Amino acid sequence: DSGVTQTPKHLITATGQRVTLRCSPRSGDLSVYWYQQSLDQGLQFLIQYYNGEERAKGNILERFSAQQFPDLHSELNLSSLELGDSALYFCASSVGGSPNTGELFFGEGSRLTVL
Amino acid sequence: AQTVTQSQPEMSVQEAETVTLSCTYDTSENNYYLFWYKQPPSRQMILVIRQEAYKQQNATENRFSVNFQKAAKSFSLKISDSQLGDTAMYFCAFMNLQGAQKLVFGQGTRLTINP
Repeated sequence: DSGVTQTPKHLITATGQRVTLRCSPRSGDLSVYWYQQSLDQGLQFLIQYYNGEERAKGNILERFSAQQFPDLHSELNLSSLELGDSALYFCASSVGGSPNTGELFFGEGSRLTVL
Repeated sequence: AQTVTQSQPEMSVQEAETVTLSCTYDTSENNYYLFWYKQPPSRQMILVIRQEAYKQQNATENRFSVNFQKAAKSFSLKISDSQLGDTAMYFCAFMNLQGAQKLVFGQGTRLTINP
């Protein structure tokens, strides 16, 4: 158990809809990262938050947004969903904004299926 | 931009054999980390081993060891005395220590250990 909790584990929705994925980092970790894992694109970095502030942005679509709350949990909002958004969405956490040990701790992921 | 390439989409060996997974990367940076992550059917990403680029000595974790060739930008993973529980997807990953410290993943190698 990595200590990172993601909900929901599975989600099925229709095109055009909006969903919210939630992540609770390990106790004491200030940074949260979101990754998307799809069959054709592999594991792609979406965005990083550190202590409530956006730290880095990757290949995140404009239809997607994220935030980190004062209690350090994070939410990834996906809107106007398309079939191609079907993927496994991972959250990971690390202690600081700059993971000195390089290690990220991953949750079990949220499997999103868009029909 | 950094890229990570895993040239072996799938590999299969017998239990107790030794197997080597290949990984090459491309970067112009000098300070970085390299990782191997394991993703079993449970889908959680688990850190197997980490290598700091400034260290010449290859990292070792029990049955897992790496062959890090910095000049050749090569980072292979050797699994000795393979076990059925080693069956998983293995991802090579790169993290630059400058700028946005995000993990860049390879496409993965599906490893099957046969009884």
